[in-house]
Amino acid sequence: GAVVSQHPSWVICKSGTSVKIECRSLDFQATTMFWYRQFPKQSLMLMATSNEGSKATYEQGVEKDKFLINHASLTLSTLTVTSAHPEDSSFYICSGRGRVSQHFGDGTRLSIL
Amino acid sequence: GIQVEQSPPDLILQEGANSTLRCNFSDSVNNLQWFHQNPWGQLINLFYIPSGTKQNGRLSATTVATERYSLLYISSSQTTDSGVYFCAVGGGGGADGLTFGKGTHLIIQP
Repeated sequence: GAVVSQHPSWVICKSGTSVKIECRSLDFQATTMFWYRQFPKQSLMLMATSNEGSKATYEQGVEKDKFLINHASLTLSTLTVTSAHPEDSSFYICSGRGRVSQHFGDGTRLSIL
Repeated sequence: GIQVEQSPPDLILQEGANSTLRCNFSDSVNNLQWFHQNPWGQLINLFYIPSGTKQNGRLSATTVATERYSLLYISSSQTTDSGVYFCAVGGGGGADGLTFGKGTHLIIQP
């Protein structure tokens, strides 16, 4: 139980492109979802907290206009990286809050050329 | 914010050996999870353990909340245990996002 599906798993695109990443809770309702970023050989850092039906809360230093988050239903949150640049290349991973713990998707590897 | 320190940062062992990974945290927490990140980046949830002791096969974990540390034990290591092990903590019973430690990079040699 408590499966989170994240798509796409890999994206390569040109600088200036906007990229949307989807995070779905398949067998539970996630009123709260979280988005993390991981640079190579580093740990995961929380970017934002997404609550269904309300605006996301961003961590300090994360640009809310660059990383648009939408959580329109209890099972789907999306992260859109707008006008992506090479420095946005990273591993993005989402999680859904279960009954007590967080359940993670498999992540999206984003490469901006 | 809360600080999470993991040790050791790197560990190289022979197959069959046992290991202990440590996680220290700087404040009270309501959520503590151990993860294994495999070479493809997938985070495998090993334990949800804000306090107490749990066991799952060759793996077990203990969290002493009053002393703000957690231990992950791996017995009879296998090459498939290789990867990075993260400890992550949070408050609010899971409502808050997790703060991750820097991880322990474990290599099990055949």
